Amino acid sequence: QQPVQSPQAVILREGEDAVINCSSSKALYSVHWYRQKHGEAPVFLMILLKGGEQKGHEKISASFNEKKQQSSLYLTASQLSYSGTYFCGTERGNDMRFGAGTRLTVKP
Amino acid sequence: NAGVMQNPRHLVRRRGQEARLRCSPMKGHSHVYWYRQLPEEGLKFMVYLQKENIIDESGMPKERFSAEFPKEGPSILRIQQVVRGDSAAYFCASSIRRGDEQYFGPGTRLTVT
Repeated sequence: QQPVQSPQAVILREGEDAVINCSSSKALYSVHWYRQKHGEAPVFLMILLKGGEQKGHEKISASFNEKKQQSSLYLTASQLSYSGTYFCGTERGNDMRFGAGTRLTVKP
Repeated sequence: NAGVMQNPRHLVRRRGQEARLRCSPMKGHSHVYWYRQLPEEGLKFMVYLQKENIIDESGMPKERFSAEFPKEGPSILRIQQVVRGDSAAYFCASSIRRGDEQYFGPGTRLTVT
């Protein structure tokens, strides 16, 4: 079962902040975040593991609430290069399920 | 260190033909995942393989689709008797270990005419 992302889309001005949420109905081992620009492959941003360990991008932060099976990605002081579609992936055992994505547009 | 490679990048097939998509993982990666993506939609998990083994194929249709990752050579996703609904971008990704970050290839865009 795939995780649910919100919002579906968000438009920002350069320098503004955004939060993208990801929730699952099932217990998770980890949450992955990826960004995909139009016509390109997804690019890894961050992994959040049970127990609080994180691995990933310097300028992007995220949280993982294991009890609620939720994760949030925080984009602060957004730049034009942040535009793209953000996917969360939830890992349970042997498979990865991705959400439908959140399309982020940063305007000058 | 070369990234994940996929070929062909674009593939056109007529209905009823076979499509073979190839994926060479990053050096040192023994875990391969295949995903399908329709335009403006998310990534749909298809299959997860480790060298010579299919670990999870729960996302792959039981008919016409098969995947392998032999001891030598690339992973192959094979679609027999393609239909228009198979038109999509197919991405493969690789990782060092299960659960680690996945590195995606550039994708193969399959068009069925």
